[in-house]
Amino acid sequence: DTAVSQTPKYLVTQMGNDKSIKCEQNLGHDTMYWYKQDSKKFLKIMFSYNNKELIINETVPNRFSPKSPDKAHLNLHINSLELGDSAVYFCASSQSGSTEAFFGQGTRLTVV
Amino acid sequence: GEDVEQSLFLSVREGDSSVINCTYTDSSSTYLYWYKQEPGAGLQLLTYIFSNMDMKQDQRLTVLLNKKDKHLSLRIADTQTGDSAIYFCAERDSGNTPLVFGKGTRLSVIA
Repeated sequence: DTAVSQTPKYLVTQMGNDKSIKCEQNLGHDTMYWYKQDSKKFLKIMFSYNNKELIINETVPNRFSPKSPDKAHLNLHINSLELGDSAVYFCASSQSGSTEAFFGQGTRLTVV
Repeated sequence: GEDVEQSLFLSVREGDSSVINCTYTDSSSTYLYWYKQEPGAGLQLLTYIFSNMDMKQDQRLTVLLNKKDKHLSLRIADTQTGDSAIYFCAERDSGNTPLVFGKGTRLSVIA
């Protein structure tokens, strides 16, 4: 069973479109994250949710809106996509008080 | 703010040892990690160390931590071509704070 799964794995879309990336974890963790990895492979935190509550929102355009319907899911919706949004987006989860953070396989978003 | 620095490239011959270095600035870092990313793949947790430890060994991997200098290293013994990947150093304060990553070190293993 995949611990942290993201869909889709690849997403190609035109500028101006709205798209969503879904993430689910079956580890029972209480905290989930979205990270962005740019073309130079640099990884930056975007959002962090603990028990469905937003606890970290880094400097991210408000076109990006995370939604956590329950503790096991953290979806990322992006409005009015721009070329600069092209990147690999990673979802991750961890449990408060625990050491490990587990990552999904990433969603490669290409905006054309 | 927190910062994690790594050299971007390392090239070694197959069978040699690889040492990947990392420095961090956050003195409240509790956990320090090494992740591996193969081409087109996700992030695989290799190992981690608590800030109150100096060393951790796991098969071919040895992690050394110098807390005074805020320096972390990952040594891979008997490096193989399958070890070619990007290695990310990361730190975090506590169990539900996000990881802060370095820019990654691209390890190339020459046969």
